Amino acid sequence: AQTVTQSQPEMSVQEAETVTLSCTYDTSESDYYLFWYKQPPSRQMILVIRQEAYKQQNATENRFSVNFQKAAKSFSLKISDSQLGDAAMYFCALTRARQLTFGSGTQLTVLP
Amino acid sequence: SQTIHQWPATLVQPVGSPLSLECTVEGTSNPNLYWYRQAAGRGLQLLFYSVGIGQISSEVPQNLSASRPQDRQFILSSKKLLLSDSGFYLCAWSVGTVGSPLHFGNGTRLTVT
Repeated sequence: AQTVTQSQPEMSVQEAETVTLSCTYDTSESDYYLFWYKQPPSRQMILVIRQEAYKQQNATENRFSVNFQKAAKSFSLKISDSQLGDAAMYFCALTRARQLTFGSGTQLTVLP
Repeated sequence: SQTIHQWPATLVQPVGSPLSLECTVEGTSNPNLYWYRQAAGRGLQLLFYSVGIGQISSEVPQNLSASRPQDRQFILSSKKLLLSDSGFYLCAWSVGTVGSPLHFGNGTRLTVT
């Protein structure tokens, strides 16, 4: 069975600062994919970033980047220059065949 | 471009009543389709997924069922709702390639009274 753990239920960051959200996972598969999704108050799930496990290079999307440590089974999300619009619930997710297993989420508050 | 439509956005139903939530995808063929449920303040739980017409896989035994009568249509149903069925239901689609991201609809907030 696959598991995804987000140990930080809530985080806060000052506007324009940097914050890192943690995620650890467990899987017996050697080839898999990891994702971060964002769920703002509208509750729509929005893809933030995707990482392929066979790629050593960390994925980056504008102000969002990941620190992927395959041996440690860690997949953290770094948000740089935080903006008020980044306030949301963030979910880490891991594939299993055609399905995604989600963590329990981290609620991010951005302070003006 | 691909779009996903999910309705209704909000639904209040009494215990014991039936349920039908509908999801359609436009702009792609033979998508993988998914139904997730999100309880208040919690993560997403996969309920059903489908890789083709009439092909439904259930992840969690429950009071719900799913059907895929057409390639881009996915329906979540119940014959008799329970209080525990309350939650936020999300439909999603992906292309058939392993590792493809899911694209979600806007969700349905179901309250069973």
